[in-house]
Amino acid sequence: DQQVKQNSPSLSVQEGRISILNCDYTNSMFDYFLWYKKYPAEGPTFLISISSIKDKNEDGRFTVFLNKSAKHLSLHIVPSQPGDSAVYFCAASDLNAGNMLTFGGGTRLMVKP
Amino acid sequence: DTAVSQTPKYLVTQMGNDKSIKCEQNLGHDTMYWYKQDSKKFLKIMFSYNNKELIINETVPNRFSPKSPDKAHLNLHINSLELGDSAVYFCASSQLGGADSDTQYFGPGTRLTVL
Repeated sequence: DQQVKQNSPSLSVQEGRISILNCDYTNSMFDYFLWYKKYPAEGPTFLISISSIKDKNEDGRFTVFLNKSAKHLSLHIVPSQPGDSAVYFCAASDLNAGNMLTFGGGTRLMVKP
Repeated sequence: DTAVSQTPKYLVTQMGNDKSIKCEQNLGHDTMYWYKQDSKKFLKIMFSYNNKELIINETVPNRFSPKSPDKAHLNLHINSLELGDSAVYFCASSQLGGADSDTQYFGPGTRLTVL
């Protein structure tokens, strides 16, 4: 029973273009959402987050959009750079459940020079 | 200056052994976690722990036990290791009630291989 899903296992984008990574969730109790970036043999690195009371949060080249009614969030990276190539994990938490994160399966982003 | 560190990075052991993985955080956080990344690359929560409460994911076998000697450490003990325990284990920490209280910071992971 996957409560957080990333339906695209991989995405390939040209350098300078926009990368859009998508994530869907089923648990309406989730109230905080995060994106992590992961390189091989390293731990996930926090990128950006959004509270359920907002619909957009921006940090530099990264913007996260939340559509609560659709239970959908997306991460936009613009412009994409080769160094952005990594696996991106969407995660969600329910503050009432001990702040434990539920992760999606990840999307491998490849940015081509 | 490492924020969340784990030792060892790699651990190879025989079935039936007991092993521990250590985790330390120097962020001053009050809550620590253990996650397991399985062969399908899914990251799943195992435990959430602060000095008040241990929350266990109900799917975790009782052969796994977290032990916290102090606020900066949360070690993972595994008894009677099985082949299916082979995975990468990540430690994480956060500060409940802080400015970014829901943001967890992860260690580099420990790859456990059970033969």
